[in-house]
Amino acid sequence: GQQLNQSPQSMFIQEGEDVSMNCTSSSIFNTWLWYKQDPGEGPVLLIALYKAGELTSNGRLTAQFGITRKDSFLNISASIPSDVGIYFCAGLYTGANSKLTFGKGITLSVRP
Amino acid sequence: DGGITQSPKYLFRKEGQNVTLSCEQNLNHDAMYWYRQDPGQGLRLIYYSQIVNDFQKGDIAEGYSVSREKKESFPLTVTSAQKNPTAFYLCASTSRGYMNTEAFFGQGTRLTVV
Repeated sequence: GQQLNQSPQSMFIQEGEDVSMNCTSSSIFNTWLWYKQDPGEGPVLLIALYKAGELTSNGRLTAQFGITRKDSFLNISASIPSDVGIYFCAGLYTGANSKLTFGKGITLSVRP
Repeated sequence: DGGITQSPKYLFRKEGQNVTLSCEQNLNHDAMYWYRQDPGQGLRLIYYSQIVNDFQKGDIAEGYSVSREKKESFPLTVTSAQKNPTAFYLCASTSRGYMNTEAFFGQGTRLTVV
């Protein structure tokens, strides 16, 4: 089945640094969603994007819906230790047979 | 509080037994999904349902079965035919609207075959 492309699988940054992750697809979507998952828990929705070119912030997080509708990125500024976790992107083309499609996730580690 | 609830959080099963994982939502969402998560594999879609009494196979449906008799509930049965059932199972739901769709997850169920 189709999956979105997220790479690398792991990222290691220093506390206080900014980090950017992107997500690409061969198909267009009209909704992009970004999630964070802590160990042993379900993913939690961070940001939802609905319009090509849209830039949305949630605290230190900023995400953008790519103009081509085939990509999105998430930026975390001034990272802190609790940013550690797995970050997933998801695409959705809403309609009669819409189906959520996920990337494989990026595991973020933050060194104090 | 509106949300999506999975139970139990931890489940142990003996080989050869069927087991059913519960997923309930009170968000009035039309669509519900089951995913399996293994280390390094991301989220793999097992089954999904867009509407009551209808569901479709995902990418790894073999050895699993579902039902959708009520809008609020989408239980997943892991059958004895599933060769490697030990995993973390996640349920999600979305509205079927065309505008501002959001998807929410339950807390997950960790199934271990002993």
